[in-house]
Order: sequence, then structure tokens, then C-alpha cells
Amino acid sequence: QQQVKQSPQSLIVQKGGISIINCAYENTAFDYFPWYQQFPGKGPALLIAIRPDVSEKKEGRFTISFNKSAKQFSLHIMDSQPGDSATYFCAASGASGTYKYIFGTGTRLKVLA
Amino acid sequence: EPEVTQTPSHQVTQMGQEVILRCVPISNHLYFYWYRQILGQKVEFLVSFYNNEISEKSEIFDDQFSVERPDGSNFTLKIRSTKLEDSAMYFCASSESRITEAFFGQGTRLTVV
Repeated sequence: QQQVKQSPQSLIVQKGGISIINCAYENTAFDYFPWYQQFPGKGPALLIAIRPDVSEKKEGRFTISFNKSAKQFSLHIMDSQPGDSATYFCAASGASGTYKYIFGTGTRLKVLA
Repeated sequence: EPEVTQTPSHQVTQMGQEVILRCVPISNHLYFYWYRQILGQKVEFLVSFYNNEISEKSEIFDDQFSVERPDGSNFTLKIRSTKLEDSAMYFCASSESRITEAFFGQGTRLTVV
């Protein structure tokens, strides 16, 4: 119940295209869903986050879509750029009064120039 | 921009030796965390720390691990007797409160030989 399932494992997108990464969770007590971007050899950096009281949040080219009934959320990267090539992790927290992050398995995104 | 800093960036140690990984969280943050990432795998929670005590720990965080906030700025992770399987990237994170986003450091790559 504490797992967060992330797909796809890897993704190749042409420059200018839309990158879509999906995550699913089981524990309905989760109430905070961040996305992190990680470049090789670096720490995860917060990209965007959402709480379940909204269905969508947009920041620049990055959008989170949240479907509470389906227990799914996704990251959309519009106009993908080669500089977006990185590993993306979704996460969830807040279950059972704890605030540790449960991370997904990661998606390695490559944007072709 | 405030950031979480970790030292050293890379540590090589002999199996059975003790290591101490150091972190300086963001100055006004009150919650501190350690996560680890085995090469190519997802980020896993180890321990959270608040008000000078452990608030939560995972099953990975056994008796070989300990954390300490020895002064007002540092937060350390000690592994008493390292094993080969402790080789991983260790990330320190901090947050202002339990419900605000966590900021991660750049990580310490621990290699146990």
C-alpha cells in the first residue's frame, strides 16, 4: 500500500514534443505529490507538486494532472527540450501521519535535438 | 538561494569501517531526512529527524545506522560497520515543516570496498 508505481521506465521524445510520465498509488491517505528532476550525479530537485484538492497544476512548461478517483497523477512536459533530459521521480507523502516521501522508480527521459 | 550542502561528495571506505556523512540543512528548516539511492534504482527513505530525535525510520535504518545533530547547523549520518551493500548515493534533505516540500542536497557517493 505504500508503493508508488511509475511508468514508463524510459522515454525518448523529439524536441518540441510532449513528454508524459505516469504514476499510480494505492494508499488514499497520501496527500502530497511532488515531482523531482534528477541529473546524473546530482540530487533530486523539486520540479512541481500538487495536493489532491486540485486536478491540475501548471508551472511554465510543466503540468501535473491529478485523478483522485483513479489514484493516478501524471507529469506533462510541453515543448520538451534537450535540457529536460534527466530522470524524473514522482513521490507521495502524508499517509498515516508520516511525511517521508515514497518515490516511484523513476523515468529516464531523453529529448532528441 | 538557500541549499542543502553535503560533505564529502565521494567517500571510499573499507568494509567494516565506520563512516560519517555530513549535511548542513537550510538554516530555517526544522525537519531533516536521509535518503539513499543505490545506483540506477529509486530513492529510498532512511530516517526523519525533528526536535533532536528520530521521528520515523525505515527497515533499512538498522542498528548500524545513527543520526545526530551535534550543533545548530550540522546533521550527520553514521554507519558503524559498513557493508558492501551500503554502497549508494546518500541524500540529505530538509523541510521547513512536515507539509512543505523537502529540498535535497547533492548527495554523498559512498563506495564500500
